[in-house]
Amino acid sequence: QVQLVQSGAEVRKPGASVNVSCKASGYTLTRYFLHWVRQAPGQGLEWMGIINPRDGSTSYAQKFQGRVTMTRDTSTSTVYMELSSLRSEDTALYYCGRAPGLYDAFDVWGQGTMVSVSS
Amino acid sequence: DIQMTQSPSSLSASVGDRVTITCRASQNIRTYLNWYQQKPGKAPKLLISAASSLQSGVPSSFSGSGSGTDFTLTISSLQPEDFATYFCQQTYTTQFTFGPGTTVDIK
Repeated sequence: QVQLVQSGAEVRKPGASVNVSCKASGYTLTRYFLHWVRQAPGQGLEWMGIINPRDGSTSYAQKFQGRVTMTRDTSTSTVYMELSSLRSEDTALYYCGRAPGLYDAFDVWGQGTMVSVSS
Repeated sequence: DIQMTQSPSSLSASVGDRVTITCRASQNIRTYLNWYQQKPGKAPKLLISAASSLQSGVPSSFSGSGSGTDFTLTISSLQPEDFATYFCQQTYTTQFTFGPGTTVDIK
């Protein structure tokens, strides 16, 4: 069945970087856009950015410009999200979600990856 | 960026109640409005896309309406499994934004 499976929980110190992966199965990665959304503990959903796995083009939320990089490896059907210069406020659950088209809803989500930032 | 607001932020209801949640966009988003349900410890689940299109497998007790700036999610008869947090989301612009959420809990 269609699935997005994310990598496991991470713990980082302030100033470090983290790389979270999202592996697609049950469908062709390049036929859907892939978004990243995060959720701080007890908070709402915050959109971070989008990657088109077909050509690797990206668009990021202004808040994360310069700190986030999204890439893909079509040979393994995996998308990656790297967030750098981590601070305590980046502690959150990070989700990937796919969308059929650029302006479409996110119809399948990964299970989430907890990233904790603490000294 | 387009700002999304929801009301109420939380509500208490009983099984069988009719529940309505409102979402408002800071500018016209036509029908580029989606609704998600999230339960504790779980990823969001898409309920309704394009303001009123029910996703496959979602009970018909859920419905969505609206266009422009004002939208509603209605649950016609609340079931025990419907107690959750509901988020709206605009996909009109590529700086996608979510509403702050509405938590529906048991009265």
